[in-house]
Amino acid sequence: NAGVTQTPKFRILKIGQSMTLQCTQDMNHNYMYWYRQDPGMGLKLIYYSVGAGITDKGEVPNGYNVSRSTTEDFPLRLELAAPSQTSVYFCASSPQGIANTGELFFGEGSRLTVL
Amino acid sequence: QQQVKQSPQSLIVQKGGISIINCAYENTAFDYFPWYQQFPGKGPALLIAIRPDVSEKKEGRFTISFNKSAKQFSLHIMDSQPGDSATYFCAAIDLYGGSQGNLIFGKGTKLSVKP
Repeated sequence: NAGVTQTPKFRILKIGQSMTLQCTQDMNHNYMYWYRQDPGMGLKLIYYSVGAGITDKGEVPNGYNVSRSTTEDFPLRLELAAPSQTSVYFCASSPQGIANTGELFFGEGSRLTVL
Repeated sequence: QQQVKQSPQSLIVQKGGISIINCAYENTAFDYFPWYQQFPGKGPALLIAIRPDVSEKKEGRFTISFNKSAKQFSLHIMDSQPGDSATYFCAAIDLYGGSQGNLIFGKGTKLSVKP
């Protein structure tokens, strides 16, 4: 049971570099999300998608971009990496969306360090 | 702006004891209150959730108590076990956050259960 798969698990970037965090889910969920988790700060929503071709900003979208060309994939793009983007990033999916059940299925996270 | 306040930040409990984690909120538009459990190196996973028209919900050793008038809710773990050692996040669904609701997380409580 794969669920939500994130790659890479760890990555070190230099300031100004760009990269894409990959997320794929095999549960046929329409709703997908990207969160960042900073120590002692809980999880903050970066972007979300309610279906293929539809994305919207969350609470902390600056410095990130997303796309959703298929139901399965929801990559997160970091442009011009900054030290403030050092964090653990979690991708999540949901069959019915947050408003209906509040249940999200999370991947295992991608730890990003920007030096 | 933190909308769900969680305490304590960390908690050490002896095996067999009761672990209690408290959360408070201000926004009366919050509609649903899930708790997530996160083990080291893993993504959060839904543990238990409660709607505001219910004062208590129990699932095995885990109980949520909800006080709507005080805008407070808490997680009780009875007969705590070393395997319960994890970080616990309370959360609230803001139905009016974004186009499909938003899940607001507390900052988390790191629970350690000593044998």
